[in-house]
Amino acid sequence: DAGVIQSPRHEVTEMGQEVTLRCKPISGHDYLFWYRQTMMRGLELLIYFNNNVPIDDSGMPEDRFSAKMPNASFSTLKIQPSEPRDSAVYFCASSLRQAGDTEAFFGQGTRLTVV
Amino acid sequence: AQKITQTQPGMFVQEKEAVTLDCTYDTSDQSYGLFWYKQPSSGEMIFLIYQGSYDEQNATEGRYSLNFQKARKSANLVISASQLGDSAMYFCAMRSISGYSTLTFGKGTMLLVSP
Repeated sequence: DAGVIQSPRHEVTEMGQEVTLRCKPISGHDYLFWYRQTMMRGLELLIYFNNNVPIDDSGMPEDRFSAKMPNASFSTLKIQPSEPRDSAVYFCASSLRQAGDTEAFFGQGTRLTVV
Repeated sequence: AQKITQTQPGMFVQEKEAVTLDCTYDTSDQSYGLFWYKQPSSGEMIFLIYQGSYDEQNATEGRYSLNFQKARKSANLVISASQLGDSAMYFCAMRSISGYSTLTFGKGTMLLVSP
């Protein structure tokens, strides 16, 4: 398996624009996580899915953020409208079902810059 | 709620020496997993080692070992025979084994290995 695949790797956009980040989890993994990493706040969990169903979105900073998982092999994180404070590295990760004792595999991340 | 504390923002070690990176945690769960990840300057998150709360033996993976002290709620990472390529950010994380479970991360420790 190619691992967790995220696209794009880098995104530069202007304030107010819509941004869509994409993720393909590892085949067979039932959990999918979206994390945001900044210098100030470290790694924050934004939302996670189990079997394509959002379980906890309490980490989503505000209504400008939304995430979907239409099927087991694809998820998106959308920011509309984007703001400079959204600049961060966004990671997608996946892990196996009932996998509290196994690791999550991370994608390469998307570095988002909002100017 | 789970909490991970890494009190060392940065650590320095000479090549070929051993180094210990500290991690303490707080949880009300009875069963949980502890993880260490490495993040080199390229940005990806690399899983290093796992320890289950029910494991009586400390986990080892090559040059990595985990010094697990359950009563003290600590899960320190020991890297033996440091190499220049070990220079990176290191994150401690934990996850409940029961029910829906996410990875909670500490703030990380930056390790610099000098020749």
